[in-house]
Amino acid sequence: DIQMTQSPSSLSASVGDRVTITCRASQGINTYLAWYQQKSGEVPKLLIYGASTLRSGVPSRFSGSGSGTDFTLTISSLQPEDVATYYCQKYDFAPFTFGPGTKVDVE
Amino acid sequence: QAQLVQSGGEVKKPGASVKVSCKASGYTFSYYGINWVRQAPGQGLEWMGWYNVYNGHTNYAQGLQDRLIMTTDTSTSTAYMELRSLRSDDTAVYYCARADKGYYYGVDVWGPGTTVTVSS
Repeated sequence: DIQMTQSPSSLSASVGDRVTITCRASQGINTYLAWYQQKSGEVPKLLIYGASTLRSGVPSRFSGSGSGTDFTLTISSLQPEDVATYYCQKYDFAPFTFGPGTKVDVE
Repeated sequence: QAQLVQSGGEVKKPGASVKVSCKASGYTFSYYGINWVRQAPGQGLEWMGWYNVYNGHTNYAQGLQDRLIMTTDTSTSTAYMELRSLRSDDTAVYYCARADKGYYYGVDVWGPGTTVTVSS
């Protein structure tokens, strides 16, 4: 099975900073990658699918890029409400594995 | 709008089984599939399996395929997840979550979660 890794596992940044999270697949998955945001005590929320397509209603400060094995989620200007754990998920073929998550805090 | 409503929390003893329901509304149930995802306390998301309601195909995570059973009742737009031979490390919040029949757009609607506690 394809393994998903994320880096860093956690980060802390200031409001207004640009934040980048990396997700890597052990084999190529084309652009079959989604990003989710999960705030503490809440249900996960889809942010991006197809590696780079922003879901309707998601703030434009979120963006995704990549294909094959390397992907990034970028928050262009970190806001206090972005404090959450972010997960990537592959969905080319089952198993539709999630990455281990990246916890984002505001300094 | 599309919504998934799950059954209530459960407390089970090791070795028992649990069955969680997930009732869909606000969309055509048969055009989508249902994922089951769990999250142990303080841990990340673990994908368990996928039931494609459109074509009836199922996929299971390796390691769970011997204990996990996913079913649906299209007459009531309800999906079910049964996990057998429960162990303490099955203690988690269990989510059902929708994806389109081709899984092109990720998992876009999530249920509120059902807490399953396994304890003697």
